[in-house]
Amino acid sequence: AAGVIQSPRHLIKEKRETATLKCYPIPRHDTVYWYQQGPGQDPQFLISFYEKMQSDKGSIPDRFSAQQFSDYHSELNMSSLELGDSALYFCASSERNRGRGNTIYFGEGSWLTVV
Amino acid sequence: GESVGLHLPTLSVQEGDNSIINCAYSNSASDYFIWYKQESGKGPQFIIDIRSNMDKRQGQRVTVLLNKTVKHLSLQIAATQPGDSAVYFCAERVYNNFNKFYFGSGTKLNVKP
Repeated sequence: AAGVIQSPRHLIKEKRETATLKCYPIPRHDTVYWYQQGPGQDPQFLISFYEKMQSDKGSIPDRFSAQQFSDYHSELNMSSLELGDSALYFCASSERNRGRGNTIYFGEGSWLTVV
Repeated sequence: GESVGLHLPTLSVQEGDNSIINCAYSNSASDYFIWYKQESGKGPQFIIDIRSNMDKRQGQRVTVLLNKTVKHLSLQIAATQPGDSAVYFCAERVYNNFNKFYFGSGTKLNVKP
């Protein structure tokens, strides 16, 4: 079965640079979520989108922005990178409909290392 | 935000024993709960889910129990194997026009051979 696809899998950037992560949700999933997980930490919710509109916002820094496109893929843009942004970034997707078993499924993550 | 937390941060069990991982949640409006397994450097992997209108659900070697009275969730793994070693997260869903998922602190399961 198709899963959530994230790219790139690994990324190394220098401080103050910009990075863009991409996420392709499971087919027919209309909601995308972004999470940040630092070493040894729990996934922290950043932001989510439904039908190209922001549906919820978590602890996303102002330096970060995201959007969902017409094909439902999403991109997380991170600017003015700091060392503390080094983390594993997960994208997840689900269906919005409450009535169905709309589990949230995760991608394998994108490793961002800021040096 | 909502609070979902685990009682034990680390659990060590002997191979072949049963494991029980616990989770507490705080939102009475949560209607759907999920357990995930996360291996090092990988994404959280869906294990089993349960809706709030159920109190027990069984899968292959795993059982999830839900006690809505005390807002408690548990994951039972039968005949724990070394491959079960990972961090386990519980998540609750609150639906308010959109899905909102809240994750608790993970429990690291160490399976000793």
